[in-house]
Amino acid sequence: GNSVTQMEGPVTLSEEAFLTINCTYTATGYPSLFWYVQYPGEGLQLLLKATKADDKGSNKGFEATYRKETTSFHLEKGSVQVSDSAVYFCALSGNANDYKLSFGAGTTVTVRA
Amino acid sequence: NAGVTQTPKFQVLKTGQSMTLQCAQDMNHEYMSWYRQDPGMGLRLIHYSVGAGITDQGEVPNGYNVSRSTTEDFPLRLLSAAPSQTSVYFCASSHITDVNYGYTFGSGTRLTVV
Repeated sequence: GNSVTQMEGPVTLSEEAFLTINCTYTATGYPSLFWYVQYPGEGLQLLLKATKADDKGSNKGFEATYRKETTSFHLEKGSVQVSDSAVYFCALSGNANDYKLSFGAGTTVTVRA
Repeated sequence: NAGVTQTPKFQVLKTGQSMTLQCAQDMNHEYMSWYRQDPGMGLRLIHYSVGAGITDQGEVPNGYNVSRSTTEDFPLRLLSAAPSQTSVYFCASSHITDVNYGYTFGSGTRLTVV
């Protein structure tokens, strides 16, 4: 079945540091890939997505590229802010007509001023 | 505001009690689902539905029941609460044709079973 593996946290950074969160996946066919963000006390929000190989998703300074050859979808941001402190989840959906999302374990990121 | 509404936000149950977690959406989404979030385990799918009258099991369905009598509502029932069901529960929905646009999540229900 489908599965997602993301780097374990927690990750602690200083403001303006570079952030990378690794995500790899196992799936049959051509899944869509997502990054969700969960701010303290809230539900998950879609951060970015990519629906086919070599697509790059981007939002709020975050980027991730769908790499089919390495089955990866790593999240990056060049200069983090305190407001980026959150839990980040990598997720994938299956092929057409498979509406279920499979999530990674989540990575807690704390950015210090 | 449009979105997914979950109630209650917090609940404490005694072992063996039953309760229903409510989920309602006003976006006419066909697909609705329940996840539980536990530390170090991400989100695990409990049950899901692709439309009124249609439900199916996810990864961890034991101890939970669902029904979907309307497009808007998708309640999750705990039949006999156990401490292992202590978790944060999220409801999520989407249009079937727009799954690749992502889910809309509710703000969660934090359940403690003592």
